[in-house]
Amino acid sequence: RKEVEQDPGPFNVPEGATVAFNCTYSNSASQSFFWYRQDCRKEPKLLMSVYSSGNEDGRFTAQLNRASQYISLLIRDSKLSDSATYLCVVLAYSGAGSYQLTFGKGTKLSVIP
Amino acid sequence: GAVVSQHPSWVICKSGTSVKIECRSLDFQATTMFWYRQFPKQSLMLMATSNEGSKATYEQGVEKDKFLINHASLTLSTLTVTSAHPEDSSFYICSAGDDGGYGKQYFGPGTRLLVL
Repeated sequence: RKEVEQDPGPFNVPEGATVAFNCTYSNSASQSFFWYRQDCRKEPKLLMSVYSSGNEDGRFTAQLNRASQYISLLIRDSKLSDSATYLCVVLAYSGAGSYQLTFGKGTKLSVIP
Repeated sequence: GAVVSQHPSWVICKSGTSVKIECRSLDFQATTMFWYRQFPKQSLMLMATSNEGSKATYEQGVEKDKFLINHASLTLSTLTVTSAHPEDSSFYICSAGDDGGYGKQYFGPGTRLLVL
C-alpha cells in the first residue's frame, strides 16, 4: 500500500467550478500535513498547511481527518491560474530534530476557459 | 517567507563527469534537507534525507555511492552525482524546513542536469 495516495487525475474543470482533491496516508504517526502546488517545470511551492480544525485561505480550504487518515483540499471558483499539479505531503518526526517526508504523486488540475 | 537557493540552475556535462549541486537555506537554519529528482511529466521522487552532521538516509533504489550527499552545516547541503550518465539527466530539487516551522518545506528552484 502506498504511503500517501492521491486522486489519480487529471482533473479538467471549467473556470468557476469547485474542485476537491483527496489524499490518504498510511502512517498513523504522521504529524504535519501540507498541500503544495507545482507548476510545470518549476519547484513545488507551499500552498497551505493542513490542521485538524480545518483552515481556509481565500478560495482554498483544507481539511484533515486524523481518524480516517484523510486530507482534502477544496478550491472554489477556480481560475485559469489554478492549473497546476497539487501535491499532498505528510511529515512524521523521527527524533533528534529530523523528520521523514512522504509525497503523494500529485493530481494535475487543468482549468479550462 | 524562507528562501532556499540552489546552484547551479543548469548543468550540461559529458558522460563520466561528476556534478556537484549546492542547496542553501538563506535566512534560516535547517537540520534536515531533502533531495528530489523529477523526470519529465513524472512525479517528484524523494531521493534522500540529508541530516546535518550525520549520514544521509537514502530512499530505496537510490545508490548512495552514486549520489553523494554532504550536509556540512545548518545552511548547506550538497548532492554530487558521480560519474554521471545520460540516464541521470533530470531535474534535481532540494528542500529545507525551518527547524521551528513544524516541517514546512521550502524548495530550491531546482537544477536541470543534462548529461551528454
